[in-house]
Amino acid sequence: AQSVTQLDSHVSVSEGTPVLLRCNYSSSYSPSLFWYVQHPNKGLQLLLKYTSAATLVKGINGFEAEFKKSETSFHLTKPSAHMSDAAEYFCVVRAAMDTGRRALTFGSGTRLQVQP
Amino acid sequence: GAGVSQSPSNKVTEKGKDVELRCDPISGHTALYWYRQSLGQGLEFLIYFQGNSAPDKSGLPSDRFSAERTGGSVSTLTIQRTQQEDSAVYLCASSPLAGERADTQYFGPGTRLTVL
Repeated sequence: AQSVTQLDSHVSVSEGTPVLLRCNYSSSYSPSLFWYVQHPNKGLQLLLKYTSAATLVKGINGFEAEFKKSETSFHLTKPSAHMSDAAEYFCVVRAAMDTGRRALTFGSGTRLQVQP
Repeated sequence: GAGVSQSPSNKVTEKGKDVELRCDPISGHTALYWYRQSLGQGLEFLIYFQGNSAPDKSGLPSDRFSAERTGGSVSTLTIQRTQQEDSAVYLCASSPLAGERADTQYFGPGTRLTVL
């Protein structure tokens, strides 16, 4: 079984300040972890993924996330928020590829607001 | 190249009617997934197709839901006798069989279904 918990449903930051979106996961297998972003009225876009290589993962648009097995966390960060970062962010877990289980399990989402 | 496409983009139907939603995956992607995004339930996995293997139907919410994939490409999700709780955005995703991107699912823009 696998699950993911996004600890904040809403996060509001000022433009130019750091972003932290928190995610904890639970998985019976070595997981693959992803962050997806969804802008209003647009499809889901992959930001970054962790698949058992380097624990610090860099993604698009300056985002990065660190896989911490001891804390079962995969928090998303960005040093400086832009107005265009305002969107819904989803933390996602999937069992390792060699389990044959491909279905993604999504967190409930965090809505990021960026204030001017 | 072209991404995942879905049609129609919006569908309004009356309770009790049947609907068909279509997904065209990225060319060459052998895995195809359906998810549902609704206000109350978040993003949920519905069904997964991989080549000629039997589909993983573990996420289908009831026997009113079915899906098929013809010729290993286009997929149709059918909902019979629609209910108001079926109102949601239905998302399709695809991924390649192997390679570095095998664990990444690429999402379409979705079909917004409204059941009156």
